[in-house]
Amino acid sequence: DTEVTQTPKHLVMGMTNKKSLKCEQHMGHRAMYWYKQKAKKPPELMFVYSYEKLSINESVPSRFSPECPNSSLLNLHLHALQPEDSALYLCASSQGRPRGLLNTEAFFGQGTRLTVV
Amino acid sequence: SQQGEEDPQALSIQEGENATMNCSYKTSINNLQWYRQNSGRGLVHLILIRSNEREKHSGRLRVTLDTSKKSSSLLITASRAADTASYFCAYPETSGSRLTFGEGTQLTVNP
Repeated sequence: DTEVTQTPKHLVMGMTNKKSLKCEQHMGHRAMYWYKQKAKKPPELMFVYSYEKLSINESVPSRFSPECPNSSLLNLHLHALQPEDSALYLCASSQGRPRGLLNTEAFFGQGTRLTVV
Repeated sequence: SQQGEEDPQALSIQEGENATMNCSYKTSINNLQWYRQNSGRGLVHLILIRSNEREKHSGRLRVTLDTSKKSSSLLITASRAADTASYFCAYPETSGSRLTFGEGTQLTVNP
């Protein structure tokens, strides 16, 4: 199984709502990532979890709150978002340290298309 | 910014023609990876070339890497309409903890 599964595929939320994006992989990968992608732009890294611990936070606003409940699951909790947060949110996974991405590629989910109204 | 650059930004060709996309980067790399993204969907890994390799093939794909020029190219031969997508190069930072992506090339293959 080389799949990264993201739910939901589409999400429309108001600026006062609280919602969560979910990501799951069963490849035994110990590194998991959240990316944000705007139209016609490359993915921008938001967070990296390594062995279920947050290892990189790319100065993301606190209205985005990541969580890694176990080695297969990654969540992104959303609260009080702004319309400019509308984007495609991508989850990815890869082998963990020590070699990580030096050895192998990342596997991406299909993304959640988020619209903030 | 350590972000890679790709050119062209957009490429439109006819079915059966070859498509070449280029990627330049700024740092020393361990490997360089190419990904494909269909419109509004996730990225799919295509090929990984290591810094000690100069060329790699996978089906209709050919990737070259020139570490002295800090550049790579992706060649798709005998293109098909289904190859229409965005193509990104990416390379890991030295710790292997994250990927830096190029700006991407939007390829359109006309039937």
